[in-house]
Amino acid sequence: AQTVTQSQPEMSVQEAETVTLSCTYDTSESDYYLFWYKQPPSRQMILVIRQEAYKQQNATENRFSVNFQKAAKSFSLKISDSQLGDAAMYFCAYRSSYSGAGSYQLTFGKGTKLSVIP
Amino acid sequence: NAGVTQTPKFQVLKTGQSMTLQCAQDMNHEYMSWYRQDPGMGLRLIHYSVGAGITDQGEVPNGYNVSRSTTEDFPLRLLSAAPSQTSVYFCASSYGVVTEAFFGQGTRLTVV
Repeated sequence: AQTVTQSQPEMSVQEAETVTLSCTYDTSESDYYLFWYKQPPSRQMILVIRQEAYKQQNATENRFSVNFQKAAKSFSLKISDSQLGDAAMYFCAYRSSYSGAGSYQLTFGKGTKLSVIP
Repeated sequence: NAGVTQTPKFQVLKTGQSMTLQCAQDMNHEYMSWYRQDPGMGLRLIHYSVGAGITDQGEVPNGYNVSRSTTEDFPLRLLSAAPSQTSVYFCASSYGVVTEAFFGQGTRLTVV
């Protein structure tokens, strides 16, 4: 079974600065998808960014980018020019690309609570 | 486009009571699932469905029941509520394996 580990329960960043959230995972599969979800106080789960394992290029979405190191099984999220609205819980998640029973489920890390200091 | 709609948003139950959490999606997604979120635990899969009439257990299925009679709806039933089921519950749907999951707004359930 796959596992996802987020080793930083809490982090803080000064407004306008850059912060990196860490995520490692364990899998025996070669093809899979990785996601970062944001959960603000409203509780809504919002997709921030996704990465396909077969793509070597790191995904980017505006101020959000990832550092995907497949051999090291590492998938960190970098937030540039942090804004007050970035304060939230961030979850790293894994999904297999195989279509076998249950393979489409998301396996989540325990989350990192990000605070943004004005 | 409503996306994934969960009802109710909040619920308090007494131990032993039963109830159904509703989940509906209007995106014609095949895959639907239920997760529970507990402090410090992330989200854990309870049950999932790969299409109407097909359901299966996830990581933490005990005490919950599901059915999928239509593509749109995927209700979660608590058969006899226990304090250990106090949690936030999320319903999610996706079109396929490779696409992102869309989440409902969650239901905060308290069992006293």
